[in-house]
Amino acid sequence: KNQVEQSPQSLIILEGKNCTLQCNYTVSPFSNLRWYKQDTGRGPVSLTIMTFSENTKSNGRYTATLDADTKQSSLHITASQLSDSASYICVVTTGTASKLTFGTGTRLQVTL
Amino acid sequence: GAVVSQHPSWVICKSGTSVKIECRSLDFQATTMFWYRQFPKQSLMLMATSNEGSKATYEQGVEKDKFLINHASLTLSTLTVTSAHPEDSSFYICSAPRVYTGELFFGEGSRLTVL
Repeated sequence: KNQVEQSPQSLIILEGKNCTLQCNYTVSPFSNLRWYKQDTGRGPVSLTIMTFSENTKSNGRYTATLDADTKQSSLHITASQLSDSASYICVVTTGTASKLTFGTGTRLQVTL
Repeated sequence: GAVVSQHPSWVICKSGTSVKIECRSLDFQATTMFWYRQFPKQSLMLMATSNEGSKATYEQGVEKDKFLINHASLTLSTLTVTSAHPEDSSFYICSAPRVYTGELFFGEGSRLTVL
């Protein structure tokens, strides 16, 4: 069964601090992995998309890593800001039917 | 700006009425669109995949007659919640992959409250 698990479920950090969110998947065959940011009451917005051959991809203060061997990905947020408070969702796509499997998300809260 | 637009962004209706939610791809054609439901503090749950010109594919446990999906054109898919009840109150989101690139864009979501 294709599954995407994220940890931690929720996280509270101080503004300016860094944090790392984890995503483990059992999806097969693997096509790509995406990280999305979802503000409360809004639709998800894409942060990064990574294919099998990519190990690291950055988007501003967001850096995603992918280890296709261990089927793990991480999203590192540098110098967090209050506006980073949101849910972060990991989505893995299978190669054949382009079926998406969503992680349960990590709710991040950045405080003063 | 948004490349996938949903309308309405929020709607309140009486129990027993039907509500239609539209999902439009604004600057690209989408032969496929996805509909999700999201309950508070939970992740998105795929409800169905709408296919332009053919029947939608529903996920297990999703009632086809309850959630009618129509994908009449390459830029528009609609979700109709029929005979809505309070338990249908939720956040409904659509997404559309851009053909050839596969980039997946989400709409802003539609908050449905059934009284």
